[in-house]
Amino acid sequence: DADVTQTPRNRITKTGKRIMLECSQTKGHDRMYWYRQDPGLGLRLIYYSFDVKDINKGEISDGYSVSRQAQAKFSLSLESAIPNQTALYFCATSDSGWLRTDTQYFGPGTRLTVL
Amino acid sequence: GESVGLHLPTLSVQEGDNSIINCAYSNSASDYFIWYKQESGKGPQFIIDIRSNMDKRQGQRVTVLLNKTVKHLSLQIAATQPGDSAVYFCAESRGGKLIFGQGTELSVKP
Repeated sequence: DADVTQTPRNRITKTGKRIMLECSQTKGHDRMYWYRQDPGLGLRLIYYSFDVKDINKGEISDGYSVSRQAQAKFSLSLESAIPNQTALYFCATSDSGWLRTDTQYFGPGTRLTVL
Repeated sequence: GESVGLHLPTLSVQEGDNSIINCAYSNSASDYFIWYKQESGKGPQFIIDIRSNMDKRQGQRVTVLLNKTVKHLSLQIAATQPGDSAVYFCAESRGGKLIFGQGTELSVKP
């Protein structure tokens, strides 16, 4: 979905490095999410934010941190990357307005490889 | 524990046939379900959703059926096309978060 963009699209890094993945959206949604996807598996929630001042841990938050810089921007950081954090990372957004359906709209993903 | 799961990890169908992808859920309090399609190298794409007060909802070539008695959700794709080849995920909404199943890979044979 072109309304949700992620940078970079691909990243190779070394063990111990700190890296940041960025997500921007033009959908005007207040809620944003970060997921991780491993081969052959579904998506697992890392962190989510229901508005600019709200940050919540998901099921696999250890080793990650996030920052909600603005309603449209939500970044994910790996403080000290390790090889088992090699995965596809997706950002998503949803709208809590009066038409709220909890449907989430996903970005194109970032493929991260930690050597 | 509570989970959303799929009965089959892979499904192969002939082009033009109908496809049925199944999903089981365990939380009877869930009130909203979504099907996503994920093509290789892309993010999940919304297909269709259904609320728990409905049994059936139709879209363009797709139908979602919800059986609350047995906690079962299915996605039916009519006249399956090569472009339908992808991984399909069901998701269950809980408190503004989505719980995803592992996915079913649909392969369409020409």
